Amino acid sequence: DSGVTQTPKHLITATGQRVTLRCSPRSGDLSVYWYQQSLDQGLQFLIQYYNGEERAKGNILERFSAQQFPDLHSELNLSSLELGDSALYFCASSVRPTSDEQFFGPGTRLTVL
Amino acid sequence: DQQVKQNSPSLSVQEGRISILNCDYTNSMFDYFLWYKKYPAEGPTFLISISSIKDKNEDGRFTVFLNKSAKHLSLHIVPSQPGDSAVYFCAASVVFGTDKLIFGTGTRLQVFP
Repeated sequence: DSGVTQTPKHLITATGQRVTLRCSPRSGDLSVYWYQQSLDQGLQFLIQYYNGEERAKGNILERFSAQQFPDLHSELNLSSLELGDSALYFCASSVRPTSDEQFFGPGTRLTVL
Repeated sequence: DQQVKQNSPSLSVQEGRISILNCDYTNSMFDYFLWYKKYPAEGPTFLISISSIKDKNEDGRFTVFLNKSAKHLSLHIVPSQPGDSAVYFCAASVVFGTDKLIFGTGTRLQVFP
């Protein structure tokens, strides 16, 4: 158990819909990262927050947005969903803002029908 | 543009033998490298890392080698055990840079008795 929690575990929705994925980092970790893993793909970095502020952005679509709240939990919002958005979405956290060891949550599996 | 490449999608090794997982990168600015292990239905877990000032780092049965001139790193597992069967991702970053971890696509290791 990494100490990072993600909800929900599974999400099934239809094209055009909007969903919110939630992540609670390890206690004491200020940095939160979001990754997308599509079938047979590596983990694609989406976005990073550090202590409530956006710190780095990766290949995140404009239809996607995220935020980190004062209690340090983070939410990833995916809107106007397309079939190709079906993937595993992982959240990770670390103590420092630099990209050393990150602790990953179990992921949310999103299926868009 | 795949900056971190794992060209072998799968590897099968007999228990007790050595497993060698390879990773190549293209960005010469990368100066910190990590290996993560992922079991099904779980998030990736950190395994071992290496800074670019070193060419070898060892932790028990796991050793990571870095060849900066060839932009190549490898993970050696000796001896391999059935519990090592998982997907292994290498990742790279620029410390104090953009804070992104760039992941490879993973190599599925199967250790058979």
